[in-house]
Amino acid sequence: DGGITQSPKYLFRKEGQNVTLSCEQNLNHDAMYWYRQDPGQGLRLIYYSQIVNDFQKGDIAEGYSVSREKKESFPLTVTSAQKNPTAFYLCASSNGRFPYEQYFGPGTRLTVT
Amino acid sequence: AQSVSQHNHHVILSEAASLELGCNYSYGGTVNLFWYVQYPGQHLQLLLKYFSGDPLVKGIKGFEAEFIKSKFSFNLRKPSVQWSDTAEYFCAVNARGGGSQGNLIFGKGTKLSVKP
Repeated sequence: DGGITQSPKYLFRKEGQNVTLSCEQNLNHDAMYWYRQDPGQGLRLIYYSQIVNDFQKGDIAEGYSVSREKKESFPLTVTSAQKNPTAFYLCASSNGRFPYEQYFGPGTRLTVT
Repeated sequence: AQSVSQHNHHVILSEAASLELGCNYSYGGTVNLFWYVQYPGQHLQLLLKYFSGDPLVKGIKGFEAEFIKSKFSFNLRKPSVQWSDTAEYFCAVNARGGGSQGNLIFGKGTKLSVKP
């Protein structure tokens, strides 16, 4: 069953702690993406990776970090430097070729108190 | 910078009413256009896409969208909505060419509530 998995579905952390969100895909896609979704804000791009061992900042990368050591995995770390970390985080992937359609995981809802 | 505008934040309709959700983008070059839907508790999934050819595209579940290049618009339509269409709808654009051409720019979304 091909797709994108994100775990966990819900995550709770105390302020000041770093937390890592998992994203795995078995679609053999080259490109992977992390978005943040807030009510009324749509999806905003945090980081993206078009190939293994390479990644680029998106529009709101401050306070986040990523790694891409394997094609199928693209974990996102929300650091204590992120001022408003409570949000719904979505991971996506695409084959990196025209027309660049993206497929999305189920998301992780992070709550920081 | 590229941007996508969805003018309706929340639309409330009765079943069988017709639907049109607006989407406008700002980019002077060639684009690929997408509508995604997020049903309550479910993954974001693709409704339809346009990248060339007939500007009227048909998607899943009876949805269609029309690309009007002169208006920079890609409005989503459905002749008769059902309660099960209750969801949030996102318009997205990617601009062709350049190093980040795979990246999508999303609108802020439109919540559709259909009353039974």
